[in-house]
Amino acid sequence: GAVVSQHPSRVICKSGTSVKIECRSLDFQATTMFWYRQFPKQSLMLMATSNEGSKATYEQGVEKDKFLINHASLTLSTLTVTSAHPEDSSFYICSASKGAGGNTIYFGEGSWLTVV
Amino acid sequence: KQEVTQIPAALSVPEGENLVLNCSFTDSAIYNLQWFRQDPGKGLTSLLLIQSSQREQTSGRLNASLDKSSGRSTLYIAASQPGDSATYLCAVRPWGGSEKLVFGKGTKLTVNP
Repeated sequence: GAVVSQHPSRVICKSGTSVKIECRSLDFQATTMFWYRQFPKQSLMLMATSNEGSKATYEQGVEKDKFLINHASLTLSTLTVTSAHPEDSSFYICSASKGAGGNTIYFGEGSWLTVV
Repeated sequence: KQEVTQIPAALSVPEGENLVLNCSFTDSAIYNLQWFRQDPGKGLTSLLLIQSSQREQTSGRLNASLDKSSGRSTLYIAASQPGDSATYLCAVRPWGGSEKLVFGKGTKLTVNP
């Protein structure tokens, strides 16, 4: 079946540095991918919609200059957390849908980011 | 703005018990509703997806119902097993063509052997 893969699954970075998370659709093309963030004991919250070949659409309150999204191909979207701070430590997860109408949405394995 | 609430936040039951997890949403204009399972430190596994025109879906020991007019869904787990221990998330896809989902905070289920 369809698989969405995220890398890395866990990353620790120093405060002030940038970290990139990749989301790949392994056996299907995804014109749209979604990036979510989940803080402990909270809901998954949509951060942005990643559109292949165009700019991402960010949800209210999400800083587009801090969370850079690039969707350069139909199988890869990347999220870069720039100048990371401890409060950015969270679980980041992407999703992509397959097929017309996008009825089936597949999630990646998620990436745990810890900023120290 | 669509809001999704899940009750209870946590549930602990003995093995073999049947149980019900609840999900409510504020806007009935949904495209579908989906139940996911999330294991600690892991991604999401889709369990059941109910289209807005459907009232229930079944998969093995799981049965999910949808009452769109009242903004409610339930996930019924029969004969619970320790391996069912996980956090169960309810998510709605709003009507309108977007594939983005609105999630509840989840119910953390512990099935004790």
